Amino acid sequence: DTEVTQTPKHLVMGMTNKKSLKCEQHMGHRAMYWYKQKAKKPPELMFVYSYEKLSINESVPSRFSPECPNSSLLNLHLHALQPEDSALYLCASSGQDRDLETQYFGPGTRLLVL
Amino acid sequence: AQSVSQHNHHVILSEAASLELGCNYSYGGTVNLFWYVQYPGQHLQLLLKYFSGDPLVKGIKGFEAEFIKSKFSFNLRKPSVQWSDTAEYFCAVIPPLSGTYKYIFGTGTRLKVLA
Repeated sequence: DTEVTQTPKHLVMGMTNKKSLKCEQHMGHRAMYWYKQKAKKPPELMFVYSYEKLSINESVPSRFSPECPNSSLLNLHLHALQPEDSALYLCASSGQDRDLETQYFGPGTRLLVL
Repeated sequence: AQSVSQHNHHVILSEAASLELGCNYSYGGTVNLFWYVQYPGQHLQLLLKYFSGDPLVKGIKGFEAEFIKSKFSFNLRKPSVQWSDTAEYFCAVIPPLSGTYKYIFGTGTRLKVLA
């Protein structure tokens, strides 16, 4: 099973709203990632959690706030977003057995900021 | 700057044609290499990966890739494409000694297969 699930699939929010994206994996992976993907572009790394601790923050604006409540869950809290933040937000995980590097991606949350 | 390059941005092929998509990287040393596919409206799926060993790697859906160290390349191939191969293809590299599992993605190649 190499499934990463994400909810919601679609999200529309205003610039003053607060919302959260959720990601879950049950593969025992120890690293989890948030990416942002604009249309026709490759994914851009935002955050990496390793063993539930934030290990990489790619200079992401503070209006994006990640959280890793446990080894299976990853949240991305959104507040006061801008229209240019509209994108597909992808979660990924890695760290299966002896293959620590291969990332498995979820289907993404398509976010529209009005 | 060190990077991953996919020179073919758009490729259009007829069904049954052979496919080769280029991926070049500029890192020295040992790298981990990946090809992912993103079908329209779907998530990124791993096609194949190379860490070490046989430089010719077989993946899913009839894809293969060849690692040529001297050319810093990891080109993706398929002998005969199908309409269902229409998708965006991303090459990704984990640079050597990065100390992380951070992927560096290429810009992607959009493949359209005509029925």
